[in-house]
Amino acid sequence: DTGVSQDPRHKITKRGQNVTFRCDPISEHNRLYWYRQTLGQGPEFLTYFQNEAQLEKSRLLSDRFSAERPKGSFSTLEIQRTEQGDSAMYLCASSPLTYTEAFFGQGTRLTVV
Amino acid sequence: AQSVTQPDIHITVSEGASLELRCNYSYGATPYLFWYVQSPGQGLQLLLKYFSGDTLVQGIKGFEAEFKRSQSSFNLRKPSVHWSDAAEYFCAVGASMNYGGATNKLIFGTGTLLAVQP
Repeated sequence: DTGVSQDPRHKITKRGQNVTFRCDPISEHNRLYWYRQTLGQGPEFLTYFQNEAQLEKSRLLSDRFSAERPKGSFSTLEIQRTEQGDSAMYLCASSPLTYTEAFFGQGTRLTVV
Repeated sequence: AQSVTQPDIHITVSEGASLELRCNYSYGATPYLFWYVQSPGQGLQLLLKYFSGDTLVQGIKGFEAEFKRSQSSFNLRKPSVHWSDAAEYFCAVGASMNYGGATNKLIFGTGTLLAVQP
C-alpha cells in the first residue's frame, strides 16, 4: 500500500489551456474526493466519488471542471480554459466505505500564467 | 451550515514550550472532528480524530485534543513542542452529504501556521 498518489506534482500552464490531473487512491478504497486549496486557506471540497459514481459536486466546480473515475479506481480532474483564479493546490483523498478517515495525496500544484 | 473556525492565523512558540491551537465548529449533530498537519508543499497528514467516546483523544507525534461539546471546541495540545512541529495545522469537521449515510466530506478551518523558535 503506497498511499494516495497524484500526478503531476506541479503544473504550469498558460491561461486558456486545458489541464488534467490524475489521482490513484489507496487500492480497495471505494471513496475518492477532490479538494482545492488556495494560498492561506484550508482545503475546500470539490467532488466525491463512490466507486465510479460521482455522487456530489460542490458549487465551486464550475462548468469548466470535470472529474471522472471510470472504473472505480483512479480518477482524473480536468480543467478547461484555465483562468488565473484556478491557480491552487488540488488535493485528492480516499477512504474505505466504512469511513474512518480520509487519506490525502501530496497534491498537484497548478499555476496559471 | 457547518463551519470550522481557527481564530489564530499564526502562532510562534519556543522549542520545549507547550502548545494549544484553538478550533471551534458549528454542526447540528454530533460531529466527527479531525486535526491534520501540512508541511510546505505537501499533502495533509492526520494527527488525530474524534468520533465518539472519550473526549480526550491521543494522536501521533505526542499531540492530543479535547472535545468540549458545551463550547463547540476541539483544541489541539502538545506539552513540549519540537522544531519539527513547525507546519500548518488544520481542524476539520466531517459533514454528511445530501444522499445521507455516514459522514464523508471534510469542512476545514483556515489553518494555523505554527513557527517554532529555537
